[in-house]
Order: sequence, then C-alpha cells, then structure tokens
Amino acid sequence: GEDVEQSLFLSVREGDSSVINCTYTDSSSTYLYWYKQEPGAGLQLLTYIFSNMDMKQDQRLTVLLNKKDKHLSLRIADTQTGDSAIYFCAESNTGNQFYFGTGTSLTVIP
Amino acid sequence: NAGVTQTPKFRVLKTGQSMTLLCAQDMNHEYMYWYRQDPGMGLRLIHYSVGEGTTAKGEVPDGYNVSRLKKQNFLLGLESAAPSQTSVYFCASTPGGYASTDTQYFGPGTRLTVL
Repeated sequence: GEDVEQSLFLSVREGDSSVINCTYTDSSSTYLYWYKQEPGAGLQLLTYIFSNMDMKQDQRLTVLLNKKDKHLSLRIADTQTGDSAIYFCAESNTGNQFYFGTGTSLTVIP
Repeated sequence: NAGVTQTPKFRVLKTGQSMTLLCAQDMNHEYMYWYRQDPGMGLRLIHYSVGEGTTAKGEVPDGYNVSRLKKQNFLLGLESAAPSQTSVYFCASTPGGYASTDTQYFGPGTRLTVL
C-alpha cells in the first residue's frame, strides 16, 4: 500500500498554534484529507484538499500542500483543550481506497 | 439518520472462536469499508465493497472474510480468531464514485480482544 507518515505526538499550550505534519509517497494522490478522532469514537472529517491546490483555509484550520515534496500540514490556530485528539492524514487517488497515516496525538496544555 | 452503526461495541473471544461484526448504514451509500486500528499503525484497510454483491481485498485481508448481500450491510467475519486480531475495528461508508471527494463516514468502532 501507499505510505503515509506522521509524527506520533505533539503538545502545545492553549492559545498557541498547532502544526501537524504528514508526508506521503503516492505522487498520483488526488485528494488529501485530515480526520480527527476523539477518545472512544470513530474518525470525523475535518477538511480535505485537492492535489491541484496548495492551501485551503477553513476558520481556525489551514491546510498547506507541497506537492513537489509530498508534504501536507494542518495548522490549528488558537488551539483549545477541545482540540486534544488524534489527527489522521489520509490520501486517495481513485476514491475507492483511502490510505491513512499513523495518527498524531495532540495534547493541549491549559 | 443513524449514520453508520456497528454491532457489537465490545467482544472478547478465545483463540479459535469465530464471530461476525455487523456494519449498517442508512445513507444509501455505495461504498463500504472495514479497517482495523492498532497503536502506532493508524488505520489499515481489511476489505472493502464498491456495491451490493461485490467485495475486494484491502491491505490486510488475511484471516478475515466479508459479505455485502444487502447494500446497507457489510459483514466482517473471523473464522478462527487469533490474538493478532485483537484490535479496534472501524466500518466506514462513502456515497461512492470515481475521483470522489466523498468524506468517509465512520462507525463508532468495535473493540475486539482475542485471548
């Protein structure tokens, strides 16, 4: 399968910005996604970006895509304690199969 | 709409026992997926289905079988459970279609322990 990699842990102070990074290997990826998983729950889609875009902003969330380096990042502005969760990067090139990263556990320190 | 539901939520099996996990969606989605989630490994696709009566292997299909007899249901079977199948299992669905921007809708998960 395709490789999608993320660092496992990130800690930030409440009010600071969080940046979660992801790298992938499939150069034919069409869509890239960020999901959030809260404890004991399934994954919820936060946002997605087409591969022909390099940035997408949605309220406190900013997604940056560097297609040349196959690098995706999610920035959360003014991070709150409710943002503590595991964040998954995922990619798809056909719409049939989605490849997920290992997840980054974000801890927000009050 | 209930969305995607999974039954059961928790299960403990002994090695060699069999069981079936049920996933149901009421959104008329074409595509359905089974994943397993293990610490430090993210989600790995076990099997998926692009329509009623069809199934396909994902990344880690060994030891599992699936069936999609009805559009709204996707069953995951373990014929002879092994401790390596201890995991959290998630079902997901999407409306489907080529180059889809469809979000995957996830169920709440089934936590399975095999002793």
